[in-house]
Amino acid sequence: EAGVVQSPRYKIIEKKQPVAFWCNPISGHNTLYWYRQNLGQGPELLIRYENEEAVDDSQLPKDRFSAERLKGVDSTLKIQPAELGDSAVYLCASSRSREADTQYFGPGTRLTVL
Amino acid sequence: GQNIDQPTEMTATEGAIVQINCTYQTSGFNGLFWYQQHAGEAPTFLSYNVLDGLEEKGRFSSFLSRSKGYSYLLLKELQMKDSASYLCAVKQRTYKYIFGTGTRLKVLA
Repeated sequence: EAGVVQSPRYKIIEKKQPVAFWCNPISGHNTLYWYRQNLGQGPELLIRYENEEAVDDSQLPKDRFSAERLKGVDSTLKIQPAELGDSAVYLCASSRSREADTQYFGPGTRLTVL
Repeated sequence: GQNIDQPTEMTATEGAIVQINCTYQTSGFNGLFWYQQHAGEAPTFLSYNVLDGLEEKGRFSSFLSRSKGYSYLLLKELQMKDSASYLCAVKQRTYKYIFGTGTRLKVLA
């Protein structure tokens, strides 16, 4: 079974530029999470999807961040415009359902904003 | 409010036993998870406790006391490859995961 796939793995941009991250969850997993992890910290939830519905986006900075999961499978997280403080690792995770015993993480995208 | 506390860093010797503690305060507890994260890699699932008691899985065990808001991860027969960060995470009834900052474990030869 393939794991959670994310791309790109690394991204370096200048501030005020846009950036997008892509995630393909494990096949059959209905719940998808986007997290941000700063150095030396634990992951912080940005948004959670149940199929194509965003059910928890309370931590998503909506002035510059957006996300979509149009067909309930893969998902895109966008930042526009990026700020220096957005430098972090963006992790995507999926689980079979919200009741599942665990979530599985992708390798992450390391974003550096210069 | 919600809060998860775990030590920032621990050091242990190869072959030894180490216990990593986690205390939490949360509304609507729905399970506690431990993840291992090697530097530059994604977290990987280690264990899950939803009822009080000890869950054993090979060299790793995890304990939960819901009344005390306390959990620990026990690693036996430490190996060099166990050097990593260990993340404690609480799942709320809203199905949201709250992660601690992680405990960086260094295993010395």
